[in-house]
Amino acid sequence: DAGVIQSPRHEVTEMGQEVTLRCKPISGHNSLFWYRQTMMRGLELLIYFNNNVPIDDSGMPEDRFSAKMPNASFSTLKIQPSEPRDSAVYFCASSSQGREQFFGPGTRLTVL
Amino acid sequence: RKEVEQDPGPFNVPEGATVAFNCTYSNSASQSFFWYRQDCRKEPKLLMSVYSSGNEDGRFTAQLNRASQYISLLIRDSKLSDSATYLCVVNRDGGYNKLIFGAGTRLAVHP
Repeated sequence: DAGVIQSPRHEVTEMGQEVTLRCKPISGHNSLFWYRQTMMRGLELLIYFNNNVPIDDSGMPEDRFSAKMPNASFSTLKIQPSEPRDSAVYFCASSSQGREQFFGPGTRLTVL
Repeated sequence: RKEVEQDPGPFNVPEGATVAFNCTYSNSASQSFFWYRQDCRKEPKLLMSVYSSGNEDGRFTAQLNRASQYISLLIRDSKLSDSATYLCVVNRDGGYNKLIFGAGTRLAVHP
């Protein structure tokens, strides 16, 4: 199995631009998670989906952030407009039936 | 106060040493506990779950003290390949879903 796939691996953009991060979970997994990791705040859960339905988005920092999961094999995390404080590594993870979460390699986002 | 607190380290130890990491959590409703390992510029990976009775996996031993809300990880006979950041993780809903990560403890094992 290829594991969790994320794209792009690196993204550099300017303040005010829209950023879209993509994730393909492990085939057969029914839960998908988006995390953000920074030096200051560590690893934080932003939102998670069960069976493509958002269950808990209490970690989403503000309205500039949105996430979708249109089908079982694809999810996006969008930031519009982006700000320098959004610079972080964004991880996607997936799991099956509430078991161990497997993380993707992450997207390193830099907002100038 | 953070929900999961860890000593950030770094812990610098020679090969073969025994090293212990501690972690405290503030939410007494937490039900599941884990140690994750994260190598530099890589994703976190599950190292081991932590059970009330304590559990061992090779050179790694995890302990949980619910009364004190305290979790520990002991690494015996350290290897160079153990160098990483170790993340203490708790979960509130009894499963694996809503994980709360500590900031991590950095370990550097030297020859």
